[in-house]
Amino acid sequence: DQQVKQNSPSLSVQEGRISILNCDYTNSMFDYFLWYKKYPAEGPTFLISISSIKDKNEDGRFTVFLNKSAKHLSLHIVPSQPGDSAVYFCAASGPGSARQLTFGSGTQLTVLP
Amino acid sequence: DAGITQSPRHKVTETGTPVTLRCHQTENHRYMYWYRQDPGHGLRLIHYSYGVKDTDKGEVSDGYSVSRSKTEDFLLTLESATSSQTSVYFCAISEDRGREPQHFGDGTRLSIL
Repeated sequence: DQQVKQNSPSLSVQEGRISILNCDYTNSMFDYFLWYKKYPAEGPTFLISISSIKDKNEDGRFTVFLNKSAKHLSLHIVPSQPGDSAVYFCAASGPGSARQLTFGSGTQLTVLP
Repeated sequence: DAGITQSPRHKVTETGTPVTLRCHQTENHRYMYWYRQDPGHGLRLIHYSYGVKDTDKGEVSDGYSVSRSKTEDFLLTLESATSSQTSVYFCAISEDRGREPQHFGDGTRLSIL
């Protein structure tokens, strides 16, 4: 049973518009959430994170929103740029000896020029 | 970029042969992780290490073993490779078990024929 779900395998957005990527989780023990970006033939790159004590975290064009009651988080990219085209993974971790990450299956974002 | 080197980057081998993948870090981080990435599954944790000679199993550990004799090296071994272990393998490191994100290497593409 997947504890972290990204239900949209792909998303296309026009350059300059907002990209919204969504992620749902089922494990109420998760207290730290991350977004990673992955280009082909490279490893995932950390993008932004949020702790469960917050509901929003912002870093430049990237904002992550957390709705704990709905067990839902989203990543907003404004404005979207062609270089943002990549696979985006959300991940979650909870209290534990090594803070293992549980990943969603990823969303392929394509930003059209 | 975090100093993480995975070797080899690509490998093709036959069913039943032993395979060892190496992850080398220059960051002196305590935690190291091995993941595999498969279509539709995102990244799944195989094994992790929280110190020299300290390792534990992840979500998909069957058929894999690991060793960590030095802080900088984390080895993943497939004792007798099977076709179901064809995947892309990623190593990650983390500084501590707090709010530090994991940083990933560029992966090893392993094909088992």
